[in-house]
Amino acid sequence: GDSVTQMEGPVTLSEEAFLTINCTYTATGYPSLFWYVQYPGEGLQLLLKATKADDKGSNKGFEATYRKETTSFHLEKGSVQVSDSAVYFCALSEDQKVTFGTGTKLQVIP
Amino acid sequence: KAGVTQTPRYLIKTRGQQVTLSCSPISGHRSVSWYQQTPGQGLQFLFEYFSETQRNKGNFPGRFSGRQFSNSRSEMNVSTLELGDSALYLCASSFQPGSGSPLHFGNGTRLTVT
Repeated sequence: GDSVTQMEGPVTLSEEAFLTINCTYTATGYPSLFWYVQYPGEGLQLLLKATKADDKGSNKGFEATYRKETTSFHLEKGSVQVSDSAVYFCALSEDQKVTFGTGTKLQVIP
Repeated sequence: KAGVTQTPRYLIKTRGQQVTLSCSPISGHRSVSWYQQTPGQGLQFLFEYFSETQRNKGNFPGRFSGRQFSNSRSEMNVSTLELGDSALYLCASSFQPGSGSPLHFGNGTRLTVT
């Protein structure tokens, strides 16, 4: 079945550092890929998405590129802020089912 | 447009009791999914409803059930509560099930079983 593997957290970075959160997936076909973010005390919210190979999703300075050859969808941001501290979930959607990764907690310190 | 609304926000119940959680999706959304989130198990899929029909179900015991009404609002019920049911229960809606439709989550119901 489908699966999503994210890097283990927590990830601790200093403000203005470069962020990469790795995400790889296993799917039988051509899934859509998503990154969701969860701030403390809230539900998940969509950060960005990509629906086909080589698509780049971007939002709020975050980017991720759908790499079919490496089955990856790594999340990147050039300069993180304290306000980016949250849990990030990679997810795929295929055959009308959604599969989430385990989440990666990011802590940004001033 | 109002977001996904979950009620109540917090619940405290005793082992053996039952509980009903409510979810109102975004207007126009007909698909509603439920997830259980715990620190140890992460985000686990419970079930999904579309047009009042359960389309998918996760690997949870029969004590967990749900339904969807004609206005797309959904409820989930947990009977004979156990300590391990303590979790954040998240509801998500989307326009329709499909690979390109993102999920819109509510802020969840925090259930504590004592």
